[in-house]
Amino acid sequence: QVPLVQSGAEVKKPGASVKISCKASGNTFTTYYMHWVRQAPGQGLEWMGIINPSGGSTSYAQRFQGRVTMTRDTPTSTFYLELSSLRSEDTALYYCARSENYFTGWFDPWGQGTLVTVSS
Amino acid sequence: QSVLTQPPSVSGAPGQRVTISCTGSSTNIGTGYDVHWYQQLPGTAPKLLIYTNNNRPSGVPDRFSGSKSGTSASLAITGLQAEDEADYYCQSYDSTGSEVFGGGTKLTVL
Repeated sequence: QVPLVQSGAEVKKPGASVKISCKASGNTFTTYYMHWVRQAPGQGLEWMGIINPSGGSTSYAQRFQGRVTMTRDTPTSTFYLELSSLRSEDTALYYCARSENYFTGWFDPWGQGTLVTVSS
Repeated sequence: QSVLTQPPSVSGAPGQRVTISCTGSSTNIGTGYDVHWYQQLPGTAPKLLIYTNNNRPSGVPDRFSGSKSGTSASLAITGLQAEDEADYYCQSYDSTGSEVFGGGTKLTVL
């Protein structure tokens, strides 16, 4: 059973929003925190934020404040990332990644990634 | 520009030893926050390689090791193999309230 399964690729126009999902398997939904990390084509990893599945509290990277929303649906063990006001620079692979600690911990495992393409 | 600095590329012949540095500052590694390392093979998601500075998850060969000192950390790979060719990233926490990554290092096995 694959621990984290993400939704499929998306193509969006500039200015639109995208919402991608990450489904966690097993009975550990509320045990681990979930991060979102993105990777632009040919570039490095960029942390976007974290959500605590117990209660839904979040913390976002400053550069995404106001444009990003992370949520979770406990009955389906699914996490969501929504990014609004999309621009071409948001074209990237978006990964969910689990951690045991709210901060300072390591990310393991990672989802397979969801490609978001922003193009007019 | 990444908060943690890594060399863009390193290379080595099969069987050799290579090291990849990860340089931070007094607001992240220098504060004592742990460093973690990931391996990203072409076309795949990153995979945890080293956690909490020098610990290997189950299944990671002991050819991989990590260390940390002051404001820097290092990943060492001994007995280099062709399958080690990948991108490597370090990760830590910054006291500004954000997880941070290095820019990544591409390892080429000659």
